[in-house]
Amino acid sequence: EDKVVQSPLSLVVHEGDTVTLNCSYEVTNFRSLLWYKQEKKAPTFLFMLTSSGIEKKSGRLSSILDKKELFSILNITATQTGDSAIYLCAEVGAGGTSYGKLTFGQGTILTVHP
Amino acid sequence: EPEVTQTPSHQVTQMGQEVILRCVPISNHLYFYWYRQILGQKVEFLVSFYNNEISEKSEIFDDQFSVERPDGSNFTLKIRSTKLEDSAMYFCASSVQTDTQYFGPGTRLTVL
Repeated sequence: EDKVVQSPLSLVVHEGDTVTLNCSYEVTNFRSLLWYKQEKKAPTFLFMLTSSGIEKKSGRLSSILDKKELFSILNITATQTGDSAIYLCAEVGAGGTSYGKLTFGQGTILTVHP
Repeated sequence: EPEVTQTPSHQVTQMGQEVILRCVPISNHLYFYWYRQILGQKVEFLVSFYNNEISEKSEIFDDQFSVERPDGSNFTLKIRSTKLEDSAMYFCASSVQTDTQYFGPGTRLTVL
């Protein structure tokens, strides 16, 4: 059974700090790894990673995948209170004929204080 | 920007009743999914749907659950006889021919 583990489970920082969120996975047939941000309700898409070593970047957020060591990190620089959310990592399976059952980690709760 | 929509936002029902949760995926998307999140737990896959049939389903998706695309825009999840443990947030998602799934705002189902 595919497994995704995130760490830390929660993190409290002050505005301006840089944070690194971790995601490790154990999967039978890896296709890609996704990061989502969940605020009040729906997870909103951040990044999709398929290749090792290629950094994806969007503003203050960046992410990279290591397929040899089976992990990914999400970095947020110069954090703001609006970054407070649950950050979810999900692995896309290669099972069946579907385009990707997502297996989610338990999430990292990030709290940014002013 | 197109988005996935879901109705209702909150549904309260009695145990044993049938509920239908509705979703309108993004219009050019071909793959549709339902997930659920029990309070305080992980988001869990329920079912994926493509070309008018189920592609994959989880162990959670038993005979009490069914999905349908009754017309060109809606995608529904039916629970025939709700149980207390069905109380959760249900998310619909859709994707084009990529792995990037876009989620709707969710329906909070409360079974009393």
